[in-house]
Amino acid sequence: NAGVTQTPKFQVLKTGQSMTLQCAQDMNHEYMSWYRQDPGMGLRLIHYSVGAGITDQGEVPNGYNVSRSTTEDFPLRLLSAAPSQTSVYFCASSYSVRGWAGYTFGSGTRLTVV
Amino acid sequence: TQLLEQSPQFLSIQEGENLTVYCNSSSVFSSLQWYRQEPGEGPVLLVTVVTGGEVKKLKRLTFQFGDARKDSSLHITAAQPGDTGLYLCALNSGNTPLVFGKGTRLSVIA
Repeated sequence: NAGVTQTPKFQVLKTGQSMTLQCAQDMNHEYMSWYRQDPGMGLRLIHYSVGAGITDQGEVPNGYNVSRSTTEDFPLRLLSAAPSQTSVYFCASSYSVRGWAGYTFGSGTRLTVV
Repeated sequence: TQLLEQSPQFLSIQEGENLTVYCNSSSVFSSLQWYRQEPGEGPVLLVTVVTGGEVKKLKRLTFQFGDARKDSSLHITAAQPGDTGLYLCALNSGNTPLVFGKGTRLSVIA
C-alpha cells in the first residue's frame, strides 16, 4: 500500500519558471491538502480539497494553484516561482477534513528557487 | 484565528531521561492530535485525544488532554535515541482543516 506519493522529491527552479508538484493517494480519501514547512514557521496550509471538483484556499495560497479532477490526485502548480517559495512541501490526505483518523502525509518535495 | 503554541521549541536530553512537551491553544477545541516527524519524512500520527481530561498511553509515551480542552501534554519516559524528531500538535475546531503548531524539536543523545 503506497499511501500518499509525492513527486519529485527534490527540485531546483529558476525565478520565474513554472512547475507542478504531484500528489497521489490510493486510500480513497476525500480530503487532500498541501502544506509548506519552513524553519520556525511550522506547517502552513496552502490549499485544500474536500472532494473531486472542490478546492479552497488555506493560510498562504498566493502564488499557487490547485485543481482536483479525480479523488486520487491533487497537483500543486507554481505559476511563476519566486525565491520566497523555497520550502519543503507536504501533501496530506484523510477520510474527512476534520481528520478523525489523522492525516496521512507524503514524504515531501524539497523545492529551491534560485 | 486560533493560536496554537508549543513549548519548548527545542529540547536536548540524554538517553534515559524523562521529558514533557506542551501544546496550548488560545481557545477550546474539539480534538487534538500529536504527530512525530523524522528528518526527510512527513509527519506521522501518534494519537488523537477528544475528551477533556483524557489520558492515552502509547508504550513510553503518555498523552494528556486538559480538562478545559485548551491544552495538551506529551510525556516520554526513559527517552531513547529513536524518539528524536519534531513533535507536532494539531487541533480541530470544527469542519475545517487541522491547524498545526510549530513543533518541539527533540534530540535524545546516546
